[in-house]
Amino acid sequence: GAVVSQHPSRVICKSGTSVKIECRSLDFQATTMFWYRQFPKQSLMLMATSNEGSKATYEQGVEKDKFLINHASLTLSTLTVTSAHPEDSSFYICSARDLGRGLSEQYFGPGTRLTVT
Amino acid sequence: QKEVEQDPGPLSVPEGAIVSLNCTYSNSAFQYFMWYRQYSRKGPELLMYTYSSGNKEDGRFTAQVDKSSKYISLFIRDSQPSDSATYLCAVYGGATNKLIFGTGTLLAVQP
Repeated sequence: GAVVSQHPSRVICKSGTSVKIECRSLDFQATTMFWYRQFPKQSLMLMATSNEGSKATYEQGVEKDKFLINHASLTLSTLTVTSAHPEDSSFYICSARDLGRGLSEQYFGPGTRLTVT
Repeated sequence: QKEVEQDPGPLSVPEGAIVSLNCTYSNSAFQYFMWYRQYSRKGPELLMYTYSSGNKEDGRFTAQVDKSSKYISLFIRDSQPSDSATYLCAVYGGATNKLIFGTGTLLAVQP
């Protein structure tokens, strides 16, 4: 149980285009999903927290107009990187909390490697 | 001062060794403590979850929390090459609604 999937696992796009990453909780409902960014050999950096049916809460320094987050259902959240630039190249990981297991247990997706050329 | 401190390593041990991974934290309000394992280019996997002080054992893994000294540990017995990964501690609780991660410790178990 507690499986989180992400799609795509890897994407290469040209500078100036937009990329959408999907995050799904496969076997549980998640009112809260999180989006992280991770640079090589560094820890996870929280970008934003999204609650189903409401606007996402962005961490300081994260541009909300550049990283659009939509949490349309209890099992799906999407992150759209708009007008991507090479410096947006990174490993993006989503995470979800399982309502049934309490607020503190958080499960992660396998990540999406974005390369902007 | 960072909220969670973790030695980044790398830590290299021979197969079969006992591994000790540690973190310290600064806010006594944290009540939930977790250890995640992350293989290269993969998402973190929840290994151990502990509430408040005490020990929790799961197979070869033991998580230990000492709230009086704000110190959390993960012990791996009979370490295997497949345990080679980055181990991240995380804390949760108090006024924050989000996990706070350590920087991760890179572990290499040599066959």
